[in-house]
Amino acid sequence: DAGITQSPRHKVTETGTPVTLRCHQTENHRYMYWYRQDPGHGLRLIHYSYGVKDTDKGEVSDGYSVSRSKTEDFLLTLESATSSQTSVYFCAISTQGYNSPLHFGNGTRLTVT
Amino acid sequence: DQQVKQNSPSLSVQEGRISILNCDYTNSMFDYFLWYKKYPAEGPTFLISISSIKDKNEDGRFTVFLNKSAKHLSLHIVPSQPGDSAVYFCAASAAKGGSQGNLIFGKGTKLSVKP
Repeated sequence: DAGITQSPRHKVTETGTPVTLRCHQTENHRYMYWYRQDPGHGLRLIHYSYGVKDTDKGEVSDGYSVSRSKTEDFLLTLESATSSQTSVYFCAISTQGYNSPLHFGNGTRLTVT
Repeated sequence: DQQVKQNSPSLSVQEGRISILNCDYTNSMFDYFLWYKKYPAEGPTFLISISSIKDKNEDGRFTVFLNKSAKHLSLHIVPSQPGDSAVYFCAASAAKGGSQGNLIFGKGTKLSVKP
């Protein structure tokens, strides 16, 4: 158990509404990540953070923003949800940032109608 | 442009036999490789990793082989058990090259181990 909690676990929202997903860790790891998983695409990196208020874009960052005001929390926001953002979102942590495995939470299933 | 490719979407194996999952990559800067297992409704779980300075790493029933010249790695599970039935993801990262060491994942291979 990597001490990662994602909330909510499931959410259904309407197109155009803002949505925020939360990732909370209990182990004070410096590196945190948001991935999305879609059929036929594997896991793709959305945004990542290498410290409080230090974030950067990943492969599929369009339409998403993140914030990290505390070490333990990493928030992913969809400013105006679209149907293409229907996905399963995974948060992950890393002790080192490179040459070390990521440990994932159990995911948030988001449906945009 | 896929940098990490798992060309077999699925694999079926008899219990007790060997499972071999394959992965190819295109980025020669990759220097760290991992395998993850994922059950439905759960997050991916780290299985085993290998650095590019090695060609083999073993952990119990799981062995990862790396062939740098062929840009190919494989995961061997011996003996396979029904509880190994899951989706397996290959992932790779490059410490240099501007990617910040972020993991790039393949699309996954669904392994079914039949009793």
